[in-house]
Formats: sequence, C-alpha cells, structure tokens
Amino acid sequence: GQQVMQIPQYQHVQEGEDFTTYCNSSTTLSNIQWYKQRPGGHPVFLIQLVKSGEVKKQKRLTFQFGEAKKNSSLHITATQTTDVGTYFCAANSGGYQKVTFGTGTKLQVIP
Amino acid sequence: DTGVSQDPRHKITKRGQNVTFRCDPISEHNRLYWYRQTLGQGPEFLTYFQNEAQLEKSRLLSDRFSAERPKGSFSTLEIQRTEQGDSAMYLCASSPRTVSYEQYFGPGTRLTVT
Repeated sequence: GQQVMQIPQYQHVQEGEDFTTYCNSSTTLSNIQWYKQRPGGHPVFLIQLVKSGEVKKQKRLTFQFGEAKKNSSLHITATQTTDVGTYFCAANSGGYQKVTFGTGTKLQVIP
Repeated sequence: DTGVSQDPRHKITKRGQNVTFRCDPISEHNRLYWYRQTLGQGPEFLTYFQNEAQLEKSRLLSDRFSAERPKGSFSTLEIQRTEQGDSAMYLCASSPRTVSYEQYFGPGTRLTVT
C-alpha cells in the first residue's frame, strides 16, 4: 500500500531560524495536502498542491510539489513560537478517496 | 457554519463494552472521513463516506468497527467488544462538494479502554 514518509521526525530551532520538512511517497500522488496540529489539538488544513512542480506561498510558509509528484516540502522562514506543532502531509493517489497521512514532523521553537 | 463537532469528547469504557461516537460535519459537506490517531502518530484512515454511501473502508478495520451515515448528514462510528488496543483519539473530518480534497477536522473523541 501507499506509504508517505516525512523527515525529520523532530526539529528544534531557535526562534528566527528557518525550518523545512520533507514528504516522500513510494507512489505517484494525485495531490498532496499539508496540515498543522498544535499540541492537544486537531489537524488544521493549510494548503493543497495538485500540479507537478507547483509552488504556493502563505506568508512565511512555502509549499512545493515535486516534478514527479512523489515528494513535497514545507518551508517556514523566520520561525515564530506560534509555529510550534506537528506538520503532516497527506495524500491521495490514483483517484482513490483513501487519504494517507505522513508520519509528521514535530517542530519546537526555542524563544 | 459551526465547524465539525464530535460527541462525546472523552469516553472511558471497560474492555468488552460497546461504544458509539457521533460526528456532525460542516453542513453541506458531502464527504466525511473517520480516522484514528495514537500518540506521536499521524491520523490513520478508517473509512470514507460520500453522502450516505460508505465508499472506502480500511483493511485495518476489524469487523468490530462499523460506521454509518444514514441520511448523508451526521455519522456514527461503533466499536463492539472494545479492546485495550482500541484506546486512541478518533477523529472525524468533512470535505466540501468540490474537486479539492481539503478536510476540516473535528476536535475528536478520546477513547480509553480499561
């Protein structure tokens, strides 16, 4: 079955430093979504990428979908303490409605 | 639009008992998902509804789990003969009637089986 791996599993950064998490799939993806889950909270939708090589920006967050549609990345510029949480990628493949979530990257920001 | 709601928020039950959870999606969202999440892991897909039809069900889901969405609005997830391994957060999400797959999650029901 489809597997979606994320690296790193954990990341501690000093406030103001940049952060990147990577999502890799064993199969070609139809689309990919990114979610943020704060400690004790539920996943919150951030963005969806559909096209090969697509890049989208949300303020300090930059999302990228790989050319082969098998990988994606989320980059945060100048992290803030409000960025703390676990970032998950999630993907559909082959038109199926089953959504596979990645293993997540837990971000800690040291003030 | 009050978001996705789930009830109860917490459930403690003894092993062997049956439990039922309810999810009310965002109104007019025709897609509804159930997930299970354990500590430190990502949400694990359980099942998917489009309107009242259950279109996908995880092979990981044993026969003790059943879900319904009788009128295409709210949904219920029932676990029969609970086991300690069923202890987890059960999340419901809904998705709008568009080509997008974005999902809006509820606060979850935390199940503890003693």
